[in-house]
Amino acid sequence: NAGVMQNPRHLVRRRGQEARLRCSPMKGHSHVYWYRQLPEEGLKFMVYLQKENIIDESGMPKERFSAEFPKEGPSILRIQQVVRGDSAAYFCASSPRDSDQPQHFGDGTRLSIL
Amino acid sequence: RKEVEQDPGPFNVPEGATVAFNCTYSNSASQSFFWYRQDCRKEPKLLMSVYSSGNEDGRFTAQLNRASQYISLLIRDSKLSDSATYLCVVGGNQFYFGTGTSLTVIP
Repeated sequence: NAGVMQNPRHLVRRRGQEARLRCSPMKGHSHVYWYRQLPEEGLKFMVYLQKENIIDESGMPKERFSAEFPKEGPSILRIQQVVRGDSAAYFCASSPRDSDQPQHFGDGTRLSIL
Repeated sequence: RKEVEQDPGPFNVPEGATVAFNCTYSNSASQSFFWYRQDCRKEPKLLMSVYSSGNEDGRFTAQLNRASQYISLLIRDSKLSDSATYLCVVGGNQFYFGTGTSLTVIP
């Protein structure tokens, strides 16, 4: 019963390092969404991807953040030169096609920046 | 104007009470509607989809009013375990999340 798999569950980085967050969608799902949740705040949309395509990245910070969803393998959210303000929970969700079907979420990656 | 707006609450209600949340959306072309529940910094979980005719699942009733562009969630006979944040989600070109409504059910 493989749901959306995210790893790692917890990630600790020092300022200036890179963070790589992985997300494997549910079987049969080709749409992936990344969200960020800062402490005491709601979910914020970051990026929406299909295989090999970024569909909407309007929620992504312009610098240091990138996302990909290659033909093979998981989706990757990459944060370069992390800063304290990047500390958050990062959730990935997948859906089978576009937004007439609900999303299913992974457990999230808690990123802590020292 | 935000795509989806929710009253953040908090709603504090006694056990057994009935509580209702509303959520408004701005895009009249929106196609799909959902309520999610999020517990204590865990991942959001789908509570129920919302259909045009309204739908019920046990103590939970969801309704959609396309003319006024809002959806609602009614919880009857509140339980302590209903304490959570309830997220309204609207699907169009992508999914749009409300900021969530916090519910605490008090013994």
